[in-house]
Amino acid sequence: GAGVSQSPSNKVTEKGKDVELRCDPISGHTALYWYRQSLGQGLEFLIYFQGNSAPDKSGLPSDRFSAERTGGSVSTLTIQRTQQEDSAVYLCASSSDYQSTDTQYFGPGTRLTVL
Amino acid sequence: AQRVTQPEKLLSVFKGAPVELKCNYSYSGSPELFWYVQYSRQRLQLLLRHISRESIKGFTADLNKGETSFHLKKPFAQEEDSAMYYCALSGQGSGAGSYQLTFGKGTKLSVIP
Repeated sequence: GAGVSQSPSNKVTEKGKDVELRCDPISGHTALYWYRQSLGQGLEFLIYFQGNSAPDKSGLPSDRFSAERTGGSVSTLTIQRTQQEDSAVYLCASSSDYQSTDTQYFGPGTRLTVL
Repeated sequence: AQRVTQPEKLLSVFKGAPVELKCNYSYSGSPELFWYVQYSRQRLQLLLRHISRESIKGFTADLNKGETSFHLKKPFAQEEDSAMYYCALSGQGSGAGSYQLTFGKGTKLSVIP
């Protein structure tokens, strides 16, 4: 079946502009995670969604970052007033449940470049 | 705070030689540990997890709680093993059911023909 998909695959923007990144999880997966992969910092957790529960936003680096998950499926990560340090690969992952042992399946990522 | 340390950024071995990718962690509680792999131009994917006690593509990893380590091993490296390897720990986040992964910075394995 189809895996996790993300769009766009690449995004180049100017400093100060807002960007939206999209994630389509695997159908039926209830848990959705966003991570960021950047040089020097490695892979960092950003935010987690599970059903109708309040999202875990503990990894968001600033209030310029926000995310939504509509209808328990598609998620959008929004970065307002982008800065050069936001340049990174943004990864989305989904899992079928919310156990600590569940496999997280990753999308191909969106490479964001802020000029 | 939970932390995962992979001390080697790059590891080069000859084909047929044994491989050991090191991973140490700190976590207050019983951790769930994973190895993820990213081959060139492919997405990040799960290689193995400690709870399954499995061998995938000839790789194994044993959780040593005394040394807080979860090293990845393979007796005979193959060229197709060349990739980026990430050790990860699953810990409970601030929300109920939130099990985000904490990753090490990764080790790039290069298998020399």
